[in-house]
Amino acid sequence: GENVEQHPSTLSVQEGDSAVIKCTYSDSASNYFPWYKQELGKGPQLIIDIRSNVGEKKDQRIAVTLNKTAKHFSLHITETQPEDSAVYFCAGRSGGGADGLTFGKGTHLIIQP
Amino acid sequence: NAGVTQTPKFRILKIGQSMTLQCTQDMNHNYMYWYRQDPGMGLKLIYYSVGAGITDKGEVPNGYNVSRSTTEDFPLRLELAAPSQTSVYFCASGELRDSYSPLHFGNGTRLTVT
Repeated sequence: GENVEQHPSTLSVQEGDSAVIKCTYSDSASNYFPWYKQELGKGPQLIIDIRSNVGEKKDQRIAVTLNKTAKHFSLHITETQPEDSAVYFCAGRSGGGADGLTFGKGTHLIIQP
Repeated sequence: NAGVTQTPKFRILKIGQSMTLQCTQDMNHNYMYWYRQDPGMGLKLIYYSVGAGITDKGEVPNGYNVSRSTTEDFPLRLELAAPSQTSVYFCASGELRDSYSPLHFGNGTRLTVT
């Protein structure tokens, strides 16, 4: 089955700086890679996703890049703000995907004022 | 629009007790999932269902049971609670009209077994 590795486990950046979180996956058949943000006491919320036939996708201050050859994808957050502080999870889905998503272990992003 | 609703939010169980975690969704999604989240371990799939009357095991099903009698509801049952089941449990649903469809999560149930 799919295995998703995520780094770093904790990331501290100054407000206004950029943050990058990286994930690798094992199953070359995986074709969908969402990113979720989890705030304290809440469930994961989808913030951006990318399909395997796309190399990059942007949504305002958030972007995701995908390198299929190397089997890794990254989340980029620019001009970080205090409300970006949260735990971020990457995930992958292979094949038909009925058995859901395989998640990385999460990155705790801390925005220092 | 409620989305995915989980009850209760918190629960403390004694070892050997049983309980049912409730999950309901109002998006008419066929696919529903139960994950558990342990510190630093991400989310692990317990059970999933692709429609009413159909359930299947995920990565960590031992100690749990599920049923899916309606499209909306997907309860998770713990029969003999053990300390290893202390965790935060998340229910999710999705359309999966294709493999690019996202999952929508509830806000979780925090369970402590002592």
